Amino acid sequence: GAVVSQHPSWVICKSGTSVKIECRSLDFQATTMFWYRQFPKQSLMLMATSNEGSKATYEQGVEKDKFLINHASLTLSTLTVTSAHPEDSSFYICSARVVGLGTQPQHFGDGTRLSIL
Amino acid sequence: GENVEQHPSTLSVQEGDSAVIKCTYSDSASNYFPWYKQELGKRPQLIIDIRSNVGEKKDQRIAVTLNKTAKHFSLHITETQPEDSAVYFCAASIPGSGYSTLTFGKGTMLLVSP
Repeated sequence: GAVVSQHPSWVICKSGTSVKIECRSLDFQATTMFWYRQFPKQSLMLMATSNEGSKATYEQGVEKDKFLINHASLTLSTLTVTSAHPEDSSFYICSARVVGLGTQPQHFGDGTRLSIL
Repeated sequence: GENVEQHPSTLSVQEGDSAVIKCTYSDSASNYFPWYKQELGKRPQLIIDIRSNVGEKKDQRIAVTLNKTAKHFSLHITETQPEDSAVYFCAASIPGSGYSTLTFGKGTMLLVSP
């Protein structure tokens, strides 16, 4: 149980392109999903918290107009990297949390490796 | 906000030995501490977690201990196997902090030699 699917797994595109990444909870409902960025050999840095039916909460230093997040349903959140540039190249991973009493574990997607040329 | 320190950054052991990874956290309000294993290029996978009302939890070869007074928690892997080689992340979560986000440590690369 608690499977999170993320697509695409790998994107290569030209500078200036916008890229959309999808995160789906396959066998559970997730009112909250999280988007992380991970540089090589580094830890997971939280970018934003995605909440179904409301605006996302962005971490300090993350440009909301650059990284658009939409959480339209209880099973789908999307991250759009707008006008991507080489410095946006990174590994982006989403996670979803099962709704329950107390803090529940986050389950991660497979990640999206984004390369901007 | 919460700050999580993790040590060591790399750990090399022989197959069959035990491995211990330690983490400290700064905010005494944190009450949930998961451990994730991440193989190269793959998703982080939850391997064990512990809540602040418990001092120790064990699952086969993996155990986690929590010392709330000292604000540190540790991952113990016994009888290590080559397939245990990966990067391990600890994390801490504060209840009621918005949506209970996780703060991760910087990771420990565990290498188990046959």
